[in-house]
Parts: sequence; C-alpha cells; structure tokens
Amino acid sequence: DAMVIQNPRYQVTQFGKPVTLSCSQTLNHNVMYWYQQKSSQAPKLLFHYYDKDFNNEADTPDNFQSRRPNTSFCFLDIRSPGLGDAAMYLCATSTRGAMRGYTFGSGTRLTVV
Amino acid sequence: AQTVTQSQPEMSVQEAETVTLSCTYDTSESDYYLFWYKQPPSRQMILVIRQEAYKQQNATENRFSVNFQKAAKSFSLKISDSQLGDAAMYFCAYRRRNTDKLIFGTGTRLQVFP
Repeated sequence: DAMVIQNPRYQVTQFGKPVTLSCSQTLNHNVMYWYQQKSSQAPKLLFHYYDKDFNNEADTPDNFQSRRPNTSFCFLDIRSPGLGDAAMYLCATSTRGAMRGYTFGSGTRLTVV
Repeated sequence: AQTVTQSQPEMSVQEAETVTLSCTYDTSESDYYLFWYKQPPSRQMILVIRQEAYKQQNATENRFSVNFQKAAKSFSLKISDSQLGDAAMYFCAYRRRNTDKLIFGTGTRLQVFP
C-alpha cells in the first residue's frame, strides 16, 4: 500500500547531540511537511517542501533544518536538541492543488535526555 | 490570518449514542477546504471527512457527517452510533484552495464509554 513511513518510531537523544528523523513516501506527492506536536496540542507546522522548494515557517527555530534529496525522502535535522524539543514529529504529504487532505506518517516520538 | 477554533477540549459519549464536535474558523477567503482528522492514542492521524467550501451539501462518510454553515463559519462533526474505537483526539483543519498549508484547531479529546 502507498504510504508515508517515518523512522524511527521512537528516538532518544542527548541534550545538544544532533539528531536526524527520516520520512519516506510511496505516494509520489509533491509536497512534504514536518510538524511538531507536543502533548495534547495541535500539530505545529515547522516547514514544508513543494518539490525542492523549501518553505520555512517564520517562527521555526534555526535549530531545525530539513533536507529533501528526492521526491520520496525528507529529513528533519535538529542541530542541538534541547529539553523543549521533546515532542512527536509528524511527517505528512499532499498533492498541491488537490482537495484531498494530508497523508500522515505514524510519527517519531523524540525524547531528549 | 486564518484561525481554527475548537471550543471543546474534551467530550464524552456513551457507546451507540450520537455526539457532535464543534469547530469554527475565521477566514476572508471564499474558496477553501475543511477537514476533520482523528488521532487515536499513539497512532497515526487519519482523515475522517472533508468538505469543499463551494459545496452546499454536507459531507457524509458512514457514521460521520458534518454540519457546514459557511456564513457562520462553522463546521461541526457528528458521530452517530459511537463505538469504542472512536475514542481519539479529533482535529478540525482548514486549507485555502491552491495553497499547501493546513491549519489545525487545538483538538477535542473524545472519550467513549461502554
């Protein structure tokens, strides 16, 4: 089945140690998103790619970076994780212009110790 | 700027009963989409139902239906014959047509009691 896959499901990292979360999709969607979701809150958009065009949200900290080497893969890099970055990170995809909603991955729960 | 408001942080319903979750939004646009997403505990967020703003007819998906009031900017979700598996966080979301960004409400946690 076509889907959005996030690895790993759970990630523990040390305070200040760079960490990378990955997302892959088999849907051939041209837009990929990264959301941060803290406990019982709405997902907060960090950035998204339309093809290779990167769109950063104004309030996304510089500590968060992203890469999209090809259509299928997108990475979230946290350069120096702080305790406040502990959250669920959701990857989603969509097709620009389509009225369909997003397709979400299962998320990566990040713990910072 | 567009905003989405869910005024009910928590709701509960008895199995087999009907429950309605509220959502209001603010936009100056006329062409947009509205969505309800379900996020079970520790599980993937999935699309429940969607509505195109230019369609007057309310969307329906099996036990799930919406009451879309465009003038009032209201988009409520009705769950009929509630099941234990309906227990989850429900998010209302808005997207302006021909844009990429989905704007979420703060969510409503639904509990279903046997």
